[in-house]
Amino acid sequence: DVKVTQSSRYLVKRTGEKVFLECVQDMDHENMFWYRQDPGLGLRLIYFSYDVKMKEKGDIPEGYSVSREKKERFSLILESASTNQTSMYLCASSSIRTIYGYTFGSGTRLTVV
Amino acid sequence: AQKVTQAQTEISVVEKEDVTLDCVYETRDTTYYLFWYKQPPSGELVFLIRRNSFDEQNEISGRYSWNFQKSTSSFNFTITASQVVDSAVYFCALSLYSGTYKYIFGTGTRLKVLA
Repeated sequence: DVKVTQSSRYLVKRTGEKVFLECVQDMDHENMFWYRQDPGLGLRLIYFSYDVKMKEKGDIPEGYSVSREKKERFSLILESASTNQTSMYLCASSSIRTIYGYTFGSGTRLTVV
Repeated sequence: AQKVTQAQTEISVVEKEDVTLDCVYETRDTTYYLFWYKQPPSGELVFLIRRNSFDEQNEISGRYSWNFQKSTSSFNFTITASQVVDSAVYFCALSLYSGTYKYIFGTGTRLKVLA
């Protein structure tokens, strides 16, 4: 069964902490994405990557960075967590082989206190 | 402007009723894909359907059906004889090419099916 796995389901961090959200896919997909989901706002794209070591800003990249050292892993980094980054974070991957349909992870609900 | 609008924030129906979820999109691209995803309480978005911009044929899959009309830029989703297990948030998404294909999501419609 193909999968996108996010390392944590729930996470509580303190303001100012550096936070790493990890995402791993086992489908050899070239594209990976990070979204955040907030009530009334839907899903908003933070960053995406279409190849190893490549990254592109999405619609709301401020306060975030990403790393893709290996094809299967895409990390989202909050350099200094703030309370307005409390949200559900969803990772997804896609491939031209799937006509770019996304496979999503289960999400990480991050609370910054 | 590229945009997806799901005007219905929340819908409640009684089990066995039919329900239609609306999706209106905006794009000037001629090549694009439209998707519907279901997000149950567990949180993971589940793929339901994909349509490309050149295929306006409607589709039926069991109790689910989709109506794609380019003339009105709409891609509506109907659940026939709804069930409690259909309770979820449903997202419509537009996929456009910009280096790779990226989704633009609507804000979602929360469907509550009451027993």
